[in-house]
Amino acid sequence: EAGVTQSPTHLIKTRGQQATLRCSPISGHTSVYWYQQALGLGLQFLLWYDEGEERNRGNFPPRFSGRQFPNYSSELNVNALELEDSALYLCASSWDGNSYNEQFFGPGTRLTVL
Amino acid sequence: TQLLEQSPQFLSIQEGENLTVYCNSSSVFSSLQWYRQEPGEGPVLLVTVVTGGEVKKLKRLTFQFGDARKDSSLHITAAQPGDTGLYLCAGPLSLSSARQLTFGSGTQLTVLP
Repeated sequence: EAGVTQSPTHLIKTRGQQATLRCSPISGHTSVYWYQQALGLGLQFLLWYDEGEERNRGNFPPRFSGRQFPNYSSELNVNALELEDSALYLCASSWDGNSYNEQFFGPGTRLTVL
Repeated sequence: TQLLEQSPQFLSIQEGENLTVYCNSSSVFSSLQWYRQEPGEGPVLLVTVVTGGEVKKLKRLTFQFGDARKDSSLHITAAQPGDTGLYLCAGPLSLSSARQLTFGSGTQLTVLP
């Protein structure tokens, strides 16, 4: 069974540009979570999508947005990039009925803003 | 929102040593999860503990959930370089939002050969 996949692996942008990151969940998983991880430390929750709807967002500005497609894949868009947006962006998936919401992560997209 | 604090933040030890890392909160959690993240990869789920006082073993790793379900520990016996990584604990964000996790800031473990 294929795991969570993310693309691209690396992305280099300049300040003010826009970035689009993509995630494909494990087959059968309907929830997708996005996290930002800076400096190899803890995960900061960005967005949660389930069944095509945004269920919750973390404490990030509106220039962080995304969507979930009918096939449950998701994309994260970051507009007006700032230097501090440089981080590893992780996507995780889970499924409804998972009592403890154990999440399965992709390898991440490393975004560098110059 | 329930918060998780992990300690120590960094730990560097020699191969063969034992170690314990901690995950603490002032809130009660219905369950806690432990993940390990290796450099350049996403976190991988190691274990979920759900019952106060529960002990789970995964080879040389022993996980314990506190009796009051406010804390958890991870003990590694005879650490190996392959144990190097960022260890994260996570639990439900709130009693009303079990489908969203909150993560601790992690313990960065380095095991030197």
